[in-house]
Amino acid sequence: KAGVTQTPRYLIKTRGQQVTLSCSPISGHRSVSWYQQTPGQGLQFLFEYFSETQRNKGNFPGRFSGRQFSNSRSEMNVSTLELGDSALYLCASSPTGQGARNTEAFFGQGTRLTVV
Amino acid sequence: AQSVSQHNHHVILSEAASLELGCNYSYGGTVNLFWYVQYPGQHLQLLLKYFSGDPLVKGIKGFEAEFIKSKFSFNLRKPSVQWSDTAEYFCAVGLSGTYKYIFGTGTRLKVLA
Repeated sequence: KAGVTQTPRYLIKTRGQQVTLSCSPISGHRSVSWYQQTPGQGLQFLFEYFSETQRNKGNFPGRFSGRQFSNSRSEMNVSTLELGDSALYLCASSPTGQGARNTEAFFGQGTRLTVV
Repeated sequence: AQSVSQHNHHVILSEAASLELGCNYSYGGTVNLFWYVQYPGQHLQLLLKYFSGDPLVKGIKGFEAEFIKSKFSFNLRKPSVQWSDTAEYFCAVGLSGTYKYIFGTGTRLKVLA
């Protein structure tokens, strides 16, 4: 079974630009979550989607958005990039959703975004 | 607010030394508990998990963790570390009904050969 796939692996963008990151979950998983990982901050929850619906959202500005398609693939978008958005963005999938009983999440390798 | 605290940010050990990494969380409801490991350049991998039952759980590569409900803790242990255990370790809590994990800030472990 293929794991969680994130594309692209690396991105360099300029301040003010926007970026779209993609995540393909494990086959059969309907929940996709996104996290931002930065040194010293650990992983910060961005949002979670299940069956194309956002079920939970973290404390990030509206510049961060996402969506999920009918095949469970997900994208996240960051508009008007700032230097502080430089981070590793991780996608995780699970059958029913993190926090659901007896459910674990599987993580992709992440997309490293550098904003210059 | 819910939070997860990992007490040690950086740990340096010699091979064969014993390891214990602390993790405490603040949440009064039902939780799932996890330890993830991130080796240099690799993705987060699950070390072990606790859902219910025996509070002492065993994971891969000789790691184990003990859930102490009264202390809201889920400490990770390994009797004898190896150089290959050099990595960053994250404690995570899945909060029932929230559809998200709360992660600790991570502990960077360096094992000296």
